[in-house]
Amino acid sequence: DGGITQSPKYLFRKEGQNVTLSCEQNLNHDAMYWYRQDPGQGLRLIYYSQIVNDFQKGDIAEGYSVSREKKESFPLTVTSAQKNPTAFYLCASSPRPRDTLNTGELFFGEGSRLTVL
Amino acid sequence: QKEVEQNSGPLSVPEGAIASLNCTYSDRGSQSFFWYRQYSGKSPELIMSIYSNGDKEDGRFTAQLNKASQYVSLLIRDSQPSDSATYLCAVTGYGGSQGNLIFGKGTKLSVKP
Repeated sequence: DGGITQSPKYLFRKEGQNVTLSCEQNLNHDAMYWYRQDPGQGLRLIYYSQIVNDFQKGDIAEGYSVSREKKESFPLTVTSAQKNPTAFYLCASSPRPRDTLNTGELFFGEGSRLTVL
Repeated sequence: QKEVEQNSGPLSVPEGAIASLNCTYSDRGSQSFFWYRQYSGKSPELIMSIYSNGDKEDGRFTAQLNKASQYVSLLIRDSQPSDSATYLCAVTGYGGSQGNLIFGKGTKLSVKP
């Protein structure tokens, strides 16, 4: 079945550690995104990528890093520089670059819940 | 700062009633409008998109757009307990520039049997 797979589903991190969240899609989508969701909050964009080897910062990129070495994969690293990393992280993809009307039609993975101990 | 505003709720309606969810946005140049449904602890799922003024119907769901008033709404007819979720409004700006999809904080809907 086509879809977006995020792993791990739950992750615990100690202070000062970097962690990497995996996101893989087999939908052949060009664009991929990482969002963060805090309780009672909307989704905030961390990074996005339209094509392989290219990505752009979103609204809250500080303390995060990404790579896009393959079309199917867009991992997110939460670094120790991120002051408040406990959150629900959502990876999404869309079938075409965001320069047409339907660029807001996102397909989401199941999410990764990160807790800092 | 471009904003999308939603009443956080909870909005409580009886089973079979019409649920009306509202959203306002600040960027007058916004082009595309979306409604996502998010069950508790789950990821969002796109349920409706609308691009021009007026109504768009899909089954029990109707999206309504009024660009002059910068207002978009979602009506759910014959509400079911399975519709209980948080509904996120999302808006893209003019020109579809990269990374410009803005989400509201969502309205929590509770449908009582």
